[in-house]
Amino acid sequence: GQQLNQSPQSMFIQEGEDVSMNCTSSSIFNTWLWYKQEPGEGPVLLIALYKAGELTSNGRLTAQFGITRKDSFLNISASIPSDVGIYFCAAMNYGGSQGNLIFGKGTKLSVKP
Amino acid sequence: EAQVTQNPRYLITVTGKKLTVTCSQNMNHEYMSWYRQDPGLGLRQIYYSMNVEVTDKGDVPEGYKVSRKEKRNFPLILESPSPNQTSLYFCASSSRQGTLYGYTFGSGTRLTVV
Repeated sequence: GQQLNQSPQSMFIQEGEDVSMNCTSSSIFNTWLWYKQEPGEGPVLLIALYKAGELTSNGRLTAQFGITRKDSFLNISASIPSDVGIYFCAAMNYGGSQGNLIFGKGTKLSVKP
Repeated sequence: EAQVTQNPRYLITVTGKKLTVTCSQNMNHEYMSWYRQDPGLGLRQIYYSMNVEVTDKGDVPEGYKVSRKEKRNFPLILESPSPNQTSLYFCASSSRQGTLYGYTFGSGTRLTVV
């Protein structure tokens, strides 16, 4: 089936540093999403991208929908301790199998104060 | 408050004993879905539903059943649970509204099958 390759698997950074993670696939998608999961909770939507080349920000977070429609990246600027969690990319083809949203394996972020 | 509610939050059961995990959303969403989360494997879709009486298999449907008789409810049924179904399960829902806004997730059900 379709797969999303998310990297890195984990990151250990110092507070104040910028973070970058990405997601690639061999398949084309028309929707890319980024989620954050905190311990004991379900994933929460951070950013949604619907057009190739689209760049969208949400506070210190910025995500881009790759021009080939096969990839996306997420940047976090000036990280703070509450950024700790697991970040997931997700993708689907809205208009086809509309409910079939697939996820990457996640990037676990640790921030040292 | 708009939310997806799963019950129970924690469940320990024995192999072969049928169980149901309930999921309800109060947002009038068309789409609902079940995922399982396992270490190193991320979130894998079990089943999804695009509307009442419309369901389809996700990536890992074996050993699970679902039904969508009402728009707000989407229960997950394990007819004969096995230890390899020990996992963290999430229900999620989404509205269409012209574009897909991404699923809203419940808080999860941690299932242990012994």
